[in-house]
Amino acid sequence: GNSVTQMEGPVTLSEEAFLTINCTYTATGYPSLFWYVQYPGEGLQLLLKATKADDKGSNKGFEATYRKETTSFHLEKGSVQVSDSAVYFCALIPYNNNDMRFGAGTRLTVKP
Amino acid sequence: NAGVTQTPKFQVLKTGQSMTLQCAQDMNHEYMSWYRQDPGMGLRLIHYSVGAGITDQGEVPNGYNVSRSTTEDFPLRLLSAAPSQTSVYFCASRAGTSGKTQYFGPGTRLLVL
Repeated sequence: GNSVTQMEGPVTLSEEAFLTINCTYTATGYPSLFWYVQYPGEGLQLLLKATKADDKGSNKGFEATYRKETTSFHLEKGSVQVSDSAVYFCALIPYNNNDMRFGAGTRLTVKP
Repeated sequence: NAGVTQTPKFQVLKTGQSMTLQCAQDMNHEYMSWYRQDPGMGLRLIHYSVGAGITDQGEVPNGYNVSRSTTEDFPLRLLSAAPSQTSVYFCASRAGTSGKTQYFGPGTRLLVL
């Protein structure tokens, strides 16, 4: 079936540190891949997405590249800020399906 | 343009009570869905709809009913609440195709005693 696996958290970093949150997926064909962010007490907001292999999604300094050969979509940011503290979800939508599947989420805390 | 709206924001129920969680979107999206969010489990799909009059089950449909009489509204009904349904519920919508962005409502926090 279709599924997403994220690295377990929580992740605690100092301001300006480099961030990587790993995400791998299982799906038939070519799914669309997404990263969503959830700030405390809020709903999910789209951070970035990629819809085909080798595409790079980017937004607010975050990047992720759709790697078909490793079935991965790792999230990276070169220099995190305290305001990046949130829960990050990796998700996919299979190409022939309407069902969006989420990873368990990774809580990031950035300390000054 | 309000996007996806949900009511109520917070609700406390007793076991066996019924209630309806409301969801509406003003983006003319064909696809709408309901998720529940539980600690350590991400979001799990409860039910979804690909258009007015069409609904289908997701990953965890038991104990929930939905209907879609209009494009805008997609209510979620709990017929007999159970403590296991204590969760945060999110409604979402998107245009039909899989590559389109999915927009989420602010969530409803439900506590079943």
